[in-house]
Amino acid sequence: QVQLVQSGAEVRRPGASVRVSCKASGYTFSTSSMHWVRQAPGQGLEWLGWINAGNGNTQYSQNFQGRLTITRDTSATTVYLDLSSLTSADTAVYFCARDRTVAVPFSPNYFHYIDVWGTGTTVTVSS
Amino acid sequence: EIVLTQSPGTLSLFPGERATLSCRTSQSVTSFHLAWYQQKVGQAPRLLVYGASNRATGIPDRFSGSGSGTDFTLTISRLEPEDCAVYYCLLFGPSSWTFGRGTKVEIK
Repeated sequence: QVQLVQSGAEVRRPGASVRVSCKASGYTFSTSSMHWVRQAPGQGLEWLGWINAGNGNTQYSQNFQGRLTITRDTSATTVYLDLSSLTSADTAVYFCARDRTVAVPFSPNYFHYIDVWGTGTTVTVSS
Repeated sequence: EIVLTQSPGTLSLFPGERATLSCRTSQSVTSFHLAWYQQKVGQAPRLLVYGASNRATGIPDRFSGSGSGTDFTLTISRLEPEDCAVYYCLLFGPSSWTFGRGTKVEIK
């Protein structure tokens, strides 16, 4: 079955950077894109960005332009999130999540959604 | 950027009652790109519905989605105690992906 296993919890000082990894298994890695989503304590879900695992193309939320980098290692079937210039507002649980793009039957359209979520990684930014 | 507005913020109902959750978009969108998720405390979200009305694999038939244009609805026909959770809608928009702020469903 599809599994997304993330790296362990991280604690950083303000101004530092953090890398979170997401190891994918149970499907052909290069055929799906991967999203990163975060959730601050007691808050809702926030989309950060995504990467096409096949060609490496990325798109980021405007809220994180210049501070967020998403990469992938196809041989390791792993996606990485790098976030720099951390502040306390970046304290959150970070999830990777697999994208699904599926043809709508008898139609030229496609369904787009997220189907499987990672285990979550808690990042705490504190002085 | 398209804004998703979920209502109500909190819904408190008895087991067996019907729950109706709303997700309104700030402009008309294609229903193929609208999904619903359930998130229980301490867990990752779980896909319930994709394409506005297609139930995901393994989701009980008491969950159903409907809507088009700017108005979308998730209905839980007969609430069970395990349905206590926060429910989010998610849109694949023209320039980014956007979540609604969620509706919390409480079971009395």
